[in-house]
Amino acid sequence: EPEVTQTPSHQVTQMGQEVILRCVPISNHLYFYWYRQILGQKVEFLVSFYNNEISEKSEIFDDQFSVERPDGSNFTLKIRSTKLEDSAMYFCARGGFTDTQYFGPGTRLTVL
Amino acid sequence: ILNVEQSPQSLHVQEGDSTNFTCSFPSSNFYALHWYRWETAKSPEALFVMTLNGDEKKKGRISATLNTKEGYSYLYIKGSQPEDSATYLCASSTNAGNMLTFGGGTRLMVKP
Repeated sequence: EPEVTQTPSHQVTQMGQEVILRCVPISNHLYFYWYRQILGQKVEFLVSFYNNEISEKSEIFDDQFSVERPDGSNFTLKIRSTKLEDSAMYFCARGGFTDTQYFGPGTRLTVL
Repeated sequence: ILNVEQSPQSLHVQEGDSTNFTCSFPSSNFYALHWYRWETAKSPEALFVMTLNGDEKKKGRISATLNTKEGYSYLYIKGSQPEDSATYLCASSTNAGNMLTFGGGTRLMVKP
């Protein structure tokens, strides 16, 4: 299966700063997802994106978060004003409704 | 809120041993059960997606079964090898949407 790639692999930022995490490149897929794993906790669903719109989101995905496909290929997750508790591994995935979801290697976000 | 649980949390076996792990999930509104193999610093690798009660899937030395009525799935590894060392994640989805709810994982370590 084609890879799902993510950049950067590790992002360090100061509290209150904006960060943008990217999935690149993805083409010809309709479903995209963001998940995260805080160290020592379970992987948690954040948001799913279908046909260029948010289709589901969790309670975690509040106004601080946004997703988009700015150029029809890259799929981004933006955190507007990072908090310490946003430190986690963020995974992008692609897939279908009941199909396998294929995950990227993740971006480790560290908020200082 | 779905609660997906996995046991054991970790497992140490000798090379050549066969082993199995358990994933339990709510059976109401069940749609699909996913198994992933995850090595540190790599993408979680999709192993199986199962939807039907009684499903059995096999990939090499790894196999999985599904019981949707009682809400559990088993993952079996026959003749464990050191390269099987990884965290094995299960995730469940419901017919309400395509978000995955993950268990906490079973960390397998196979000693040569």
